[in-house]
Amino acid sequence: QVQLVESGGGVVQPGGSLRLSCAASGFTFNNYAMHWVRQAPGKGLEWLAFIRYDGSNQYYADSVKGRFTISRDNSKNTVYLQMNSLRVEDRAVYYCAKRYGSGSVGPSYFDYWGQGTLVTVSS
Amino acid sequence: DIQMTQSPSTLSASIGDRVTITCRASQSISSWLAWYQQKPGKAPKLLIYKASSLETGVPSRFSGSGSGTEFTLTISSLQPDDFATYYCQQYNDYWTFGQGTKVEIK
Repeated sequence: QVQLVESGGGVVQPGGSLRLSCAASGFTFNNYAMHWVRQAPGKGLEWLAFIRYDGSNQYYADSVKGRFTISRDNSKNTVYLQMNSLRVEDRAVYYCAKRYGSGSVGPSYFDYWGQGTLVTVSS
Repeated sequence: DIQMTQSPSTLSASIGDRVTITCRASQSISSWLAWYQQKPGKAPKLLIYKASSLETGVPSRFSGSGSGTEFTLTISSLQPDDFATYYCQQYNDYWTFGQGTKVEIK
């Protein structure tokens, strides 16, 4: 069965950096695009970043563009989110999610989500 | 950017009630809309995709409808397991979520 397991969350000071990982299993990872989504405490879901199945294209939300970088290592079945210049407002649970449908043709939604990892930005 | 607006933000209902949640897009998204259910401390779970297609394993009391800019999620007979927060998501142009609708016990 599909499993997505995030790790790397923790407490960091404003202006600091953190790298999140999402280990995938139960599907052919290198055939599927992946996303990162976050949820601030008591708030709704915010899409952050997308990476194509082969890593050749990435898209970002305006709120993180220039600060966050999504990447993947298909040999390790893992997608990453490098977060730099962290702000207090970046405090949230960060989820990775799998694109429904292999490849990257056409619109698609998220069919599986990880359990999330908590990032706290505080001095 | 496409904005998604859900209503109501909170809904109080009883077991057996018919519940309807509305989601409006700021521009046409055809039928590229999904609905997710989220319980406290858990990841979102896919319920509906392409506006009206039921995800495998999701109870048939859930249904979705709409196209263009106006969509609805309906629970035909509310069950105890359905008390949760529901989010719509457009995937026509990048990805945007509605702000969520919390379904509470009346």
